[in-house]
Amino acid sequence: GAVVSQHPSWVICKSGTSVKIECRSLDFQATTMFWYRQFPKQSLMLMATSNEGSKATYEQGVEKDKFLINHASLTLSTLTVTSAHPEDSSFYICSASLRQGTDTQYFGPGTRLTVL
Amino acid sequence: AQSVAQPEDQVNVAEGNPLTVKCTYSVSGNPYLFWYVQYPNRGLQFLLKYITGDNLVKGSYGFEAEFNKSQTSFHLKKPSALVSDSALYFCAVRDGKDSNYQLIWGAGTKLIIKP
Repeated sequence: GAVVSQHPSWVICKSGTSVKIECRSLDFQATTMFWYRQFPKQSLMLMATSNEGSKATYEQGVEKDKFLINHASLTLSTLTVTSAHPEDSSFYICSASLRQGTDTQYFGPGTRLTVL
Repeated sequence: AQSVAQPEDQVNVAEGNPLTVKCTYSVSGNPYLFWYVQYPNRGLQFLLKYITGDNLVKGSYGFEAEFNKSQTSFHLKKPSALVSDSALYFCAVRDGKDSNYQLIWGAGTKLIIKP
């Protein structure tokens, strides 16, 4: 149980285009989802916390107009990288918590974004 | 401020020997502590957590961790290492008073188990 999927697993796009990444909790309802960015050989950097039905809370330094997060249902959150640039190339990972009060986060396999 | 430190970038252990991956933390309230493992080209997997109760926590794949309040540590241990344990290990902490459930992450420790 507690499986989280991400789609796509790898995407290459041209500079200036937008890319949408989906995060789904497959066998549970996720009240809270988190979006992370991971640089090579580095730890996870939390980008935003997303609660179903409300606006995402972005971490300091993360542009909310560039990284659009939508958490429309208890099983789906999306991250859209708008007007992507090469510096946005990274590994994006989502995680989901089973329900409020449960701390364990279950992670998706990640999405490798390469912007040319 | 909340923080997590994993003082070793890399730990090398011979197969069959015991292993320890170190983690220390700093939070203002009660700590909720976690260990996650990341295998190459795979997502993060939950290993174990400490919320309350027994200081020795047992998790997946034979791993365990001991919460030490006086030393503010939560070291990950395994009595006998396997080559398949080679991976990147992350320690994370949450302040029990934080209603956002956000985790503060350590930088990660690369564990290499040599046959």
